[in-house]
Amino acid sequence: QQQVKQSPQSLIVQKGGISIINCAYENTAFDYFPWYQQFPGKGPALLIAIRPDVSEKKEGRFTISFNKSAKQFSLHIMDSQPGDSATYFCALSGGYNKLIFGAGTRLAVHP
Amino acid sequence: DTAVSQTPKYLVTQMGNDKSIKCEQNLGHDTMYWYKQDSKKFLKIMFSYNNKELIINETVPNRFSPKSPDKAHLNLHINSLELGDSAVYFCASSQEPSTDTQYFGPGTRLTVL
Repeated sequence: QQQVKQSPQSLIVQKGGISIINCAYENTAFDYFPWYQQFPGKGPALLIAIRPDVSEKKEGRFTISFNKSAKQFSLHIMDSQPGDSATYFCALSGGYNKLIFGAGTRLAVHP
Repeated sequence: DTAVSQTPKYLVTQMGNDKSIKCEQNLGHDTMYWYKQDSKKFLKIMFSYNNKELIINETVPNRFSPKSPDKAHLNLHINSLELGDSAVYFCASSQEPSTDTQYFGPGTRLTVL
């Protein structure tokens, strides 16, 4: 049973455009919602994270929007750059830091 | 300085063999994890240890046995390897077994022939 649904599976964006990746979940027991970025041949690395007591968090060009009532959260990458090309994973965490990952979105930013 | 390191980076072996993957972290963290990433890039937690004690054990076959000799190391031993075990295995660590940043190693690509 997939506890977090991530979309789209892949995304192509032009340089300077906005990349948007969405995640939806069912179980309300989770209290930490991180996004991880993974480059080919590397391990995932934390990009940005949010807790459910805020609706938005921004760090540079990366923003998480969180809708608690809809049980959805999304990652927005402003002014997307070719160096942002990677696979992005949303995740849920609640209790013992057990991360439950979405299926991933492969982002390609074309120059 | 590598924060979370794994050895080997690549592992190619025959079905039925037994193999181990080693993980070490120099971050001083108390909690370590093993994840499996399949060919479709789906990441799933396998185990978690806090201060050398097992705290998460997902539905993983008994052929997989983690061993934590100390807080800085978490090794993964796999018996009787099967074709379906082929994947990339990631070790990770965090300061606490709570909602805290997990730092991942570079991964070990296991190929079972």
